[in-house]
Amino acid sequence: DAGVTQSPTHLIKTRGQQVTLRCSPISGHKSVSWYQQVLGQGPQFIFQYYEKEERGRGNFPDRFSARQFPNYSSELNVNALLLGDSALYLCASSFNMDSNYGYTFGSGTRLTVV
Amino acid sequence: GQQVMQIPQYQHVQEGEDFTTYCNSSTTLSNIQWYKQRPGGHPVFLIQLVKSGEVKKQKRLTFQFGEAKKNSSLHITATQTTDVGTYFCAGKTGGTSYGKLTFGQGTILTVHP
Repeated sequence: DAGVTQSPTHLIKTRGQQVTLRCSPISGHKSVSWYQQVLGQGPQFIFQYYEKEERGRGNFPDRFSARQFPNYSSELNVNALLLGDSALYLCASSFNMDSNYGYTFGSGTRLTVV
Repeated sequence: GQQVMQIPQYQHVQEGEDFTTYCNSSTTLSNIQWYKQRPGGHPVFLIQLVKSGEVKKQKRLTFQFGEAKKNSSLHITATQTTDVGTYFCAGKTGGTSYGKLTFGQGTILTVHP
């Protein structure tokens, strides 16, 4: 039984470029959340999607966008990359929006902006 | 906005010693979750606390939620080398932000054999 899968695992981009990160939740899970984890800090909430609709947004600029597909997989897009966008991007899935059983995180995508 | 502070930032212990990390929120929480992240890994869910004053145990780990639902703690008895990692608390305020977890900055635990 596959867990939360994220791709790619590592990515190097140049400032100003655009990037798309992908996440497949655990089978049966309908909620996907995205977090940014800068080295040495806790994850910061970016978005939550449930049943293909945005249900929550963190304090991130409009350069960050996301969507969820009918099969509940999700993409996170970041435009006009800045050096400060370098981080581990984590996807978390749960059966519903407000999980009493915690969230299952994927292994993340390590993004480096040079 | 809501802030979750966690102390200490680092804790070095000898194997067999106890360890405690504390978490404080600037606002009242609907619940709090704890996660463990091994070096190079991703956060793994440990437990959720919901009720005021709640105490839960998992083997050597004891989790507490404060009476005012603004603070929490994780205590590990007789640490082992397998306990190494960063422990995060993550609070939820409920309302319209159902799924939003606000993480503390974590406590990095090192266990010396």
